[in-house]
Amino acid sequence: ETGVTQTPRHLVMGMTNKKSLKCEQHLGHNAMYWYKQSAKKPLELMFVYNFKEQTENNSVPSRFSPECPNSSHLFLHLHTLQPEDSALYLCASSQGDREGYEQYFGPGTRLTVT
Amino acid sequence: KQEVTQIPAALSVPEGENLVLNCSFTDSAIYNLQWFRQDPGKGLTSLLLIQSSQREQTSGRLNASLDKSSGRSTLYIAASQPGDSATYLCAPDSGGGADGLTFGKGTHLIIQP
Repeated sequence: ETGVTQTPRHLVMGMTNKKSLKCEQHLGHNAMYWYKQSAKKPLELMFVYNFKEQTENNSVPSRFSPECPNSSHLFLHLHTLQPEDSALYLCASSQGDREGYEQYFGPGTRLTVT
Repeated sequence: KQEVTQIPAALSVPEGENLVLNCSFTDSAIYNLQWFRQDPGKGLTSLLLIQSSQREQTSGRLNASLDKSSGRSTLYIAASQPGDSATYLCAPDSGGGADGLTFGKGTHLIIQP
């Protein structure tokens, strides 16, 4: 148990659907992250939130919309996705200051876009 | 932009062997480096964190070393077991918590019983 939970664990959606991924951390951290892991590619950073403020948007298409209502919760809102967006989406958290604390990852949401 | 290379890409050995997994990175100005394992279809489990001021860290049968100036880290696994089969990922932290981690493609490890 890593202290970072993600729901749902699996999601199948059509290209016209709207869905949301949820991440919750129980570690008292102040930074949260979304990463994407596609087949045969390294994990790619998507978004970073520090103290609920977005500090990084790694050139992610606007069909992915993050939301961080507080330091414990992070959402990824999805709309009009493409089949190439099918991937494992991972959430992580850390203390987030410049000392570079350890990142803890959730189990991921396996997304399939049909 | 940080780039991470892991060698070998895949490794299959009989159990009991001692192993060395290699990681190199292009930007040596890092805060720390983490090693993770990932089981198929699962999230990442943190194995070791080495701060930039440290040379190595140990946890059980695992030992990770860091040579920041040359942009290299190694993960040493002693007396390998079938349960060690997984993909191993290294991730240097170039920007503190604000920039996230940069990952390589990992080393896919199979330990044969």
